[in-house]
Amino acid sequence: KAGVTQTPRYLIKTRGQQVTLSCSPISGHRSVSWYQQTPGQGLQFLFEYFSETQRNKGNFPGRFSGRQFSNSRSEMNVSTLELGDSALYLCASSFAGTDGYTFGSGTRLTVV
Amino acid sequence: AQSVTQLGSHVSVSEGALVLLRCNYSSSVPPYLFWYVQYPNQGLQLLLKYTSAATLVKGINGFEAEFKKSETSFHLTKPSAHMSDAAEYFCAVDSNYQLIWGAGTKLIIKP
Repeated sequence: KAGVTQTPRYLIKTRGQQVTLSCSPISGHRSVSWYQQTPGQGLQFLFEYFSETQRNKGNFPGRFSGRQFSNSRSEMNVSTLELGDSALYLCASSFAGTDGYTFGSGTRLTVV
Repeated sequence: AQSVTQLGSHVSVSEGALVLLRCNYSSSVPPYLFWYVQYPNQGLQLLLKYTSAATLVKGINGFEAEFKKSETSFHLTKPSAHMSDAAEYFCAVDSNYQLIWGAGTKLIIKP
C-alpha cells in the first residue's frame, strides 16, 4: 500500500513569507503527527492530530499551526518565516499511535 | 518529563562485526519504545518497537533490541554489520501521542 506522502519535497522561501506543507497518511491511519529536524536541535515534535482533533502540541511558537481534514490528510503552516525555520519537516501517520509511526520522506524547507 | 539518551554520536564498526547502539530512557511507567533508521536525505524507517509483549524484540534487517527495565535500557544490536547498515539510528519513547527522541547515533561501517 502507498506510504506517507509529503509535498513538496523541497521548498525555498524568503524571510517573512508563509508556507504550507501537506501530508497524506497511509490509508486507514487516523493519526498524523509532525516533526521538525535540524542539525542543532535534532528531532522535535510539533503536533499530533487524530480524527481532526489536535491531541498534543509541542513547544513551538504560534507561528506554527496545523490542521487535519476529514480524510485524515494534514497540513502544517508556518507564518512569518525566520531563518531558523530552515529544517526538514517530517510527517508521520499511525493507526493508533503506540503501534508505531510511518514517516514520509519529508519536506526540506530553506528560508533565505 | 521523559527523556531518551543515546550514548555515542558516532559508532564505528568493521564489516561483519557486532553492532551495539545504546539507548537509555527515563520513564515512570512501562514505555513504548522504538528504534528508527534514517538514510541520507530520507525520512525515518521503523526498525522495531517494544510494546511490553516481549523483552527481546526482533526487527527488520537483522536488528534486535532487548528491553531491560532494571537498567532503563533498550539497546539495539545486530550480530554482523553490513555496509548497507551505514546510517543514523534514533531511539524514541512514545509519550502522550508524541515521540521523544534521542540525539541519534551515526553508524559507520569500515570495510
